[in-house]
Amino acid sequence: EVQLEESGGGLVQPGGSLRLSCAASGFTFTSYRMHWVRQAPGKGLVWVSGTVINGDTTNYAGSVKGRFTMSRDNAKNTVFLQMSSLRDEDTAVYYCATSPSNSWTPFEYWGQGTLVTVSS
Amino acid sequence: QSALTQPASVSGSLGQSITISCSGTASDVGRYDLVSWYQQHPGKAPKLMVFGVTERPSGVSNRFSGSKSGNTASLTISGLQADDEADYYCKSYTTTAALVFGGGTRVTVL
Repeated sequence: EVQLEESGGGLVQPGGSLRLSCAASGFTFTSYRMHWVRQAPGKGLVWVSGTVINGDTTNYAGSVKGRFTMSRDNAKNTVFLQMSSLRDEDTAVYYCATSPSNSWTPFEYWGQGTLVTVSS
Repeated sequence: QSALTQPASVSGSLGQSITISCSGTASDVGRYDLVSWYQQHPGKAPKLMVFGVTERPSGVSNRFSGSKSGNTASLTISGLQADDEADYYCKSYTTTAALVFGGGTRVTVL
């Protein structure tokens, strides 16, 4: 069974940092690109970042570029999102998702999400 | 990158058909056949319903169909069922190597 399990969410003050993890199981992790997508409370989905299989190329949404860093550890079947200089507007549920090895889309598998709350 | 434009809500009666539009630009929807659609029930993770404009993943009902004309993509749900009541999001690849979602459409089954 395909599983993506996000962790690392929580409450953080504005300006602070947080590291999210997404552990994959039930499929060949190195056959998929990985993405982070977020959803603010009561709002729509927003793509955050995506990375290729070997992690050499990573793209970011303009709103997080320079503040967030996505990486992956293929030996541990895990992808990470290092978030820094956090703002109130970064408050959201963060999902990880997969796309095929040779494409940035579509997002076939999704995790259940982890909530990040940025507040003083 | 601005979000793709979707109607905030669409409703239909059981058994009827509805269509959700997704308006983009020549830099995203109009440029690539890489539009996908996702269904999200409250409190749940999104689910892929249509990809590559018209393709359905294995296991998705053929009541869901996608199309595109110019800069606008559409998702049609035929034979509306109660479980179709959810939020639906379109998504497209863009010329800046980013991905952009629509604002979402709440589907209500009357």
